[in-house]
Amino acid sequence: AQSVTQLDSHVSVSEGTPVLLRCNYSSSYSPSLFWYVQHPNKGLQLLLKYTSAATLVKGINGFEAEFKKSETSFHLTKPSAHMSDAAEYFCVVSDSKGSTLGRLYFGRGTQLTVWP
Amino acid sequence: KAGVTQTPRYLIKTRGQQVTLSCSPISGHRSVSWYQQTPGQGLQFLFEYFSETQRNKGNFPGRFSGRQFSNSRSEMNVSTLELGDSALYLCASSLGSGPPQETQYFGPGTRLLVL
Repeated sequence: AQSVTQLDSHVSVSEGTPVLLRCNYSSSYSPSLFWYVQHPNKGLQLLLKYTSAATLVKGINGFEAEFKKSETSFHLTKPSAHMSDAAEYFCVVSDSKGSTLGRLYFGRGTQLTVWP
Repeated sequence: KAGVTQTPRYLIKTRGQQVTLSCSPISGHRSVSWYQQTPGQGLQFLFEYFSETQRNKGNFPGRFSGRQFSNSRSEMNVSTLELGDSALYLCASSLGSGPPQETQYFGPGTRLLVL
């Protein structure tokens, strides 16, 4: 069975400082992993995805994530936070096999606050 | 390309009523998935339709149903509404031919309030 654990429900950083949002996954097979962002009253926007190519994945708006199989982690980072990064972030795993192929499993989300 | 559109954006209903939500996918996308988002349960998968057939189903009661039309537009229906059905309902579309790696694109959601 697939599952995702986001280790922090809230993260606060100052503008210009690094961002780290942590995610661990559980998957029976080689996973496809995604990070989505949700701004208030908006839908979900894809930041980046891992699909078994390079383990370091670069996404939009300066975000990147590293897939570490040995640690079953897929942490999201950004070198320098911007006020516009304030939003909720979801780590997502996609089912790789079986009757639920392609079904998305979401973490509980991490609310990122950026202080000026 | 236009994104995923959902109508209506906001809806207020009373307990016992039924509701129908609509989703128009990105042009060329044949898969439509529905998700429920609540503060308590987070984002949960409802079901997925591909080429007018339900291909995947989450763990929701039979009051939740859906369908997909030949143009890939999808509707979901909730009958006998309960207070706990108050949520943001998100629709996502994808090409449908290449899970699990292909990206699902989300609409802005329909916010349903049940009184």
